[in-house]
Amino acid sequence: NAGVTQTPKFQVLKTGQSMTLQCAQDMNHEYMSWYRQDPGMGLRLIHYSVGAGITDQGEVPNGYNVSRSTTEDFPLRLLSAAPSQTSVYFCASSPGLANTGELFFGEGSRLTVL
Amino acid sequence: DQQVKQNSPSLSVQEGRISILNCDYTNSMFDYFLWYKKYPAEGPTFLISISSIKDKNEDGRFTVFLNKSAKHLSLHIVPSQPGDSAVYFCAASEPGTASKLTFGTGTRLQVTL
Repeated sequence: NAGVTQTPKFQVLKTGQSMTLQCAQDMNHEYMSWYRQDPGMGLRLIHYSVGAGITDQGEVPNGYNVSRSTTEDFPLRLLSAAPSQTSVYFCASSPGLANTGELFFGEGSRLTVL
Repeated sequence: DQQVKQNSPSLSVQEGRISILNCDYTNSMFDYFLWYKKYPAEGPTFLISISSIKDKNEDGRFTVFLNKSAKHLSLHIVPSQPGDSAVYFCAASEPGTASKLTFGTGTRLQVTL
């Protein structure tokens, strides 16, 4: 029962470096999304995808890129990391955009940008 | 512009008593509301939900109440148990986009012995 798997769990970057946070789900879910969690801000939606080949922006998309080449994978790319991107990132999936709203979350990836 | 607000960052309740967590929203388009629970170093997990056509939904010790006119919902946990100690997030979505959730800032619940 893997569910939603995120890698890496921890990462430290220097300002300007790039990296990709990986997310994979084995539930054949159509909908996948990325959130970031910051103190006092709750979880904010970065990008989401309603199926392979389809992505859209959420509330805080600047500085992040996504792609969805397969149903299973939804990587989040930081092209040039900034200290403001220090956060905990959560990937989530559900059977569909218009489904019950019950998201299945990964365990999170803690990113520190120095 | 916080569309979903949880004004109490923390709450402490004795074991066996009732825990009441509150949530307010400003977007009148929201029609589906959920509560998630989060333990440290884990992802949030779904707890309970309610549609805007209802004013109450119950699941075991957990009950969610919705007051649409006040744009307010609350989560009641009765009786509270130490294992309920966690951060609770309120979330909401608009019609046709149930999975595209807007979350509140969270309330940390501590259930003491």
